[in-house]
Amino acid sequence: NAGVTQTPKFQVLKTGQSMTLQCAQDMNHEYMSWYRQDPGMGLRLIHYSVGAGITDQGEVPNGYNVSRSTTEDFPLRLLSAAPSQTSVYFCASSPRALAGYNEQFFGPGTRLTVL
Amino acid sequence: GDSVTQMEGPVTLSEEAFLTINCTYTATGYPSLFWYVQYPGEGLQLLLKATKADDKGSNKGFEATYRKETTSFHLEKGSVQVSDSAVYFCALSGSNSGYALNFGKGTSLLVTP
Repeated sequence: NAGVTQTPKFQVLKTGQSMTLQCAQDMNHEYMSWYRQDPGMGLRLIHYSVGAGITDQGEVPNGYNVSRSTTEDFPLRLLSAAPSQTSVYFCASSPRALAGYNEQFFGPGTRLTVL
Repeated sequence: GDSVTQMEGPVTLSEEAFLTINCTYTATGYPSLFWYVQYPGEGLQLLLKATKADDKGSNKGFEATYRKETTSFHLEKGSVQVSDSAVYFCALSGSNSGYALNFGKGTSLLVTP
């Protein structure tokens, strides 16, 4: 049981490039989400999904796209990278959607630098 | 909207000292409250949680009580260890935000021998 996995661990992009951050979970969790962590800002929600085929925006969705074609995978796409997207990105999953008491399980993170 | 405010760090303590990290929240309804911990270079992991008023969450010697009257969820530990050095995040999950986690900004703790 690998839990929540993220690839890559580190990435450097040039402004304007696009890329996809991968996230997968093997726990059959309904709910998956993406956060970004910036110094002094805590974690902020980018997008989330309550099940396959269903996604919604979080607090800071601009510049990012997501899709959820399977229960296991929840990739995050940067359409045209900007220096403001330099951050550490965390994917998380939770057993049930719309159940606030559930623990969220976090991946190890992807450290992204945009030059 | 929902929000969480926690004391700013960094907090530096000597080993075996008493720890308190303050956390207060604003939310409508009855959110669940969490403390997550992030060790250097790692993702977040759940430390403890409480899902209703007056619940006490506890784990690894840490405790926090859900106080609805003061909208607080302060983290405490009676005797910290060097291995407790980490960043601690208070968070809430409620119906206002679709049950997504709403985090405080984090408090960095350094415990010295």
